[in-house]
Amino acid sequence: AQKVTQAQTEISVVEKEDVTLDCVYETRDTTYYLFWYKQPPSGELVFLIRRNSFDEQNEISGRYSWNFQKSTSSFNFTITASQVVDSAVYFCALRAPYSSASKIIFGSGTRLSIRP
Amino acid sequence: EAGVAQSPRYKIIEKRQSVAFWCNPISGHATLYWYQQILGQGPKLLIQFQNNGVVDDSQLPKDRFSAERLKGVDSTLKIQPAKLEDSAVYLCASSWDYEQYFGPGTRLTVT
Repeated sequence: AQKVTQAQTEISVVEKEDVTLDCVYETRDTTYYLFWYKQPPSGELVFLIRRNSFDEQNEISGRYSWNFQKSTSSFNFTITASQVVDSAVYFCALRAPYSSASKIIFGSGTRLSIRP
Repeated sequence: EAGVAQSPRYKIIEKRQSVAFWCNPISGHATLYWYQQILGQGPKLLIQFQNNGVVDDSQLPKDRFSAERLKGVDSTLKIQPAKLEDSAVYLCASSWDYEQYFGPGTRLTVT
């Protein structure tokens, strides 16, 4: 069975703090993709990143960074120096196996609130 | 490049009524998805089309939900009759490879 767990339902931090959103996944497939999406109050899901199962290199994009560890089946997302505009619901998702026909399984999301 | 378009943005109906949602994907995207997102949950796939053929509809409640994608472009999702538990945001997404692009969604309230 495939599953994505985001144990943190809500996180609230003060602006400029660093914050990490956790994501743990389950799959028996050896080839898969992991994603992070942002859902601001407007409701539209915004794609942030895709990683494939063979690429465990950490990635940094501006204030965002992602830590992928197959050994612990985790794909965590860190925002450095958070800003109020980062307030949103963040979803981790899994697509297994590699195939455009396979469905994406979303976690339940983490609501992030950045206080000024 | 225009994004995924959906209409209406909001809809309020009474239970047992019917409702239809429309989606226009990004031009050239062969794959189209309909998701249901209940408040406080992640999106759940209802149906996936590849061109105008159904790839996966395993989680579509077929006794009341139906969807079609005519000519492999626009798609409509219908609920007939609606139940209270159908209150959710219905998201449409499209893709040409592994990255999905989402529309703004239709917020349905069933009273």
